[in-house]
Amino acid sequence: GESVGLHLPTLSVQEGDNSIINCAYSNSASDYFIWYKQESGKGPQFIIDIRSNMDKRQGQRVTVLLNKTVKHLSLQIAATQPGDSAVYFCAEIPPSRGRRALTFGSGTRLQVQP
Amino acid sequence: DGGITQSPKYLFRKEGQNVTLSCEQNLNHDAMYWYRQDPGQGLRLIYYSQIVNDFQKGDIAEGYSVSREKKESFPLTVTSAQKNPTAFYLCASARQNYGYTFGSGTRLTVV
Repeated sequence: GESVGLHLPTLSVQEGDNSIINCAYSNSASDYFIWYKQESGKGPQFIIDIRSNMDKRQGQRVTVLLNKTVKHLSLQIAATQPGDSAVYFCAEIPPSRGRRALTFGSGTRLQVQP
Repeated sequence: DGGITQSPKYLFRKEGQNVTLSCEQNLNHDAMYWYRQDPGQGLRLIYYSQIVNDFQKGDIAEGYSVSREKKESFPLTVTSAQKNPTAFYLCASARQNYGYTFGSGTRLTVV
């Protein structure tokens, strides 16, 4: 079946550096994408979203880039802080008829070294 | 404050028992969802409901049941037919398929 996947299971960065987390998706017709942060034992927390008619969206310290040509999403975190350590998931909404629900990738663990 | 509440936070089930996980939201969201998460894995869709009195199977519905009698509530029952129920269960809600909000989860363990 179609799925959302990630290139790297674990990313380790130094505090203050910028982080880039990547995600590949397989359904070229998906029209909405979300990045979530999940800390251990907690529910996913919304970070930023982007619709397919955009290629870039910025939030506070975060930027999401969407490259529809190669079906690739990335999450950029500026000046990474220890509190950013968590698992990050990308999710898409595939345009299946009658079904509008998020499909998640397997996640990338971000470790911020002090 | 508006939000989505899951209870209990931890739940223990004996083999052969049915258990029900609660999910309540006061966000006035039409759609609600149940996901299952296994250690080191992503979230997989169990059931979802786009409107009251209607729900649809997700990717891993076998051994689970739901009801949607009220807009605010979407309880999930894990039945004895679910052979490997130990997992972290997450409920979410959304308005018109955007603005997804997740609860804090219920960790179910079979003892």
